[in-house]
Amino acid sequence: GAGVSQSPSNKVTEKGKDVELRCDPISGHTALYWYRQSLGQGLEFLIYFQGNSAPDKSGLPSDRFSAERTGGSVSTLTIQRTQQEDSAVYLCASHRSGTPQYFGPGTRLTVT
Amino acid sequence: SQELEQSPQSLIVQEGKNLTINCTSSKTLYGLYWYKQKYGEGLIFLMMLQKGGEEKSHEKITAKLDEKKQQSSLHITASQPSHAGIYLCGASKGGSQGNLIFGKGTKLSVKP
Repeated sequence: GAGVSQSPSNKVTEKGKDVELRCDPISGHTALYWYRQSLGQGLEFLIYFQGNSAPDKSGLPSDRFSAERTGGSVSTLTIQRTQQEDSAVYLCASHRSGTPQYFGPGTRLTVT
Repeated sequence: SQELEQSPQSLIVQEGKNLTINCTSSKTLYGLYWYKQKYGEGLIFLMMLQKGGEEKSHEKITAKLDEKKQQSSLHITASQPSHAGIYLCGASKGGSQGNLIFGKGTKLSVKP
């Protein structure tokens, strides 16, 4: 389909390991967002890309979290030295001007 | 900072009954978005409201944004089991869409 896709759908990792989460936005969508959804916390904004630039990184919880976007398309969210509190569903969304944000199915991250 | 409060937190209704979910903002809403989420899945866009007094309908779901633009309601008529899920309201912080802040969600169960 033509929706937002994310991979992997599920990721189990050991505490201290690094993980990479991938998002493929809808073609032509210039804006891309990462959110995190955890039990009891609801949906939290992490970072926003316009093209390849990230004008708003205010939601990244620590310097262990980073993200990049290349070619104005695919984005990767990297979490270094994972901690148990990083366990959550990571959601990606994209949109272009005048449209709502469309979300991917998410990546469920479990840190053991 | 802006906060969105949803009520009720959860709702169980008999199939065929009508129901209303509310979303109240601590500040003026510049754009209000309703999404639906099923367990383990991403968010599905339902409706977007931008003007005070605006009302939109799709199938059996109607969303309204009040004149003062600080509250929105989502009304489902003649509920069906397919309406079950978590309903989330999201708001942009002003100007262009930017990242959204979300309410904690309303969990709807529909008994056949």
